[in-house]
Amino acid sequence: DTEVTQTPKHLVMGMTNKKSLKCEQHMGHRAMYWYKQKAKKPPELMFVYSYEKLSINESVPSRFSPECPNSSLLNLHLHALQPEDSALYLCASSHTQANQPQHFGDGTRLSIL
Amino acid sequence: GQQVMQIPQYQHVQEGEDFTTYCNSSTTLSNIQWYKQRPGGHPVFLIQLVKSGEVKKQKRLTFQFGEAKKNSSLHITATQTTDVGTYFCAAEFGAGSYQLTFGKGTKLSVIP
Repeated sequence: DTEVTQTPKHLVMGMTNKKSLKCEQHMGHRAMYWYKQKAKKPPELMFVYSYEKLSINESVPSRFSPECPNSSLLNLHLHALQPEDSALYLCASSHTQANQPQHFGDGTRLSIL
Repeated sequence: GQQVMQIPQYQHVQEGEDFTTYCNSSTTLSNIQWYKQRPGGHPVFLIQLVKSGEVKKQKRLTFQFGEAKKNSSLHITATQTTDVGTYFCAAEFGAGSYQLTFGKGTKLSVIP
């Protein structure tokens, strides 16, 4: 069982759709992360939020838009995605800094038609 | 950008044999973490190494951090089928950077 909950588990969308991925944790962690993972590859960092403020954006295209409404929630808004964006999207959280363990959710498996 | 090299990419072992995966960096690391990802699963934190020359053990798993803090290894003694998965090292180059750089991972298969 994971303490980081992601919804939905699977998502299929067309290139013109708008959808959102959601992530929730109740461990009191103040750092939250979005990663993208392609098959047989390591997770690639996309965004980091620290104390609800965006602290790292790894040059991610604007069709991905993160949002941190409060310390427990992290969203990733998707619009006009491309087929190459199909991947597993992982959310993670840690107490504060990256030199602390990151707890990952099960991920959302995204397919772009 | 900064990278951490992890080898081997794949390892097939007979159950009961030992297994080792290595991570190397050209620059000094602030710390290194190890994660395990089962097939179809998500990465799960195993250990964090911070000090030069640090060695930590978890049952059959032994983790080492090099004296120069540029390399690390994970050794599993007497592998079991439950050890199957991909093992990733994840390095932090700057203290408090919030940014983990993952190695490419070593996929371990255990033949019963």
